[in-house]
Amino acid sequence: AQKVTQAQTEISVVEKEDVTLDCVYETRDTTYYLFWYKQPPSGELVFLIRRNSFDEQNEISGRYSWNFQKSTSSFNFTITASQVVDSAVYFCALSEADSGYSTLTFGKGTMLLVSP
Amino acid sequence: DAGVTQSPTHLIKTRGQQVTLRCSPKSGHDTVSWYQQALGQGPQFIFQYYEEEERQRGNFPDRFSGHQFPNYSSELNVNALLLGDSALYLCASSRDRLYNSPLHFGNGTRLTVT
Repeated sequence: AQKVTQAQTEISVVEKEDVTLDCVYETRDTTYYLFWYKQPPSGELVFLIRRNSFDEQNEISGRYSWNFQKSTSSFNFTITASQVVDSAVYFCALSEADSGYSTLTFGKGTMLLVSP
Repeated sequence: DAGVTQSPTHLIKTRGQQVTLRCSPKSGHDTVSWYQQALGQGPQFIFQYYEEEERQRGNFPDRFSGHQFPNYSSELNVNALLLGDSALYLCASSRDRLYNSPLHFGNGTRLTVT
């Protein structure tokens, strides 16, 4: 069965610090997708990135970057020069080809608090 | 372009009652999924609707049921409410049923069962 583990429950940083959110996943499927979502206090889950299991290239989008390593089943997310607006709960999620219908398995989330 | 909209925003019900939550998908999306998010937890998949039929279901009892209408909007019904049903219920829509289709989420309905 698939599983996503986000070991960090809460992280507190001061503005402009870099921060890395960890995500470890388990799956028996060879074809799968990994996602990161951001959940601000409003409750809406905001899609950040999708990565398929065949593409291990790291990706950078502005201050955000993602490191996907199949060898360690990890998909870590780094925010460079954090800002107060980055404060939110971040979820890592997995969908498998076997699921067939776009269902996501989420981790428990990491709450990021960025103070001025 | 309106995103996923859910109603109501908040709801308070008594144990044993029944509740109906509503969702309108993002324009252009035909697939609707429902998730339950307990406090401090990640969302858990309840079920997914496409072409007005339930296509896939998570590990939730039959007290949880749904419906999808011809305009792609959807309802989630929960019967015989339990205290443990208190949670944020999130609706998500996508353009198709493919497993790699990114989901777009609404703001959710906060259900409190007393």
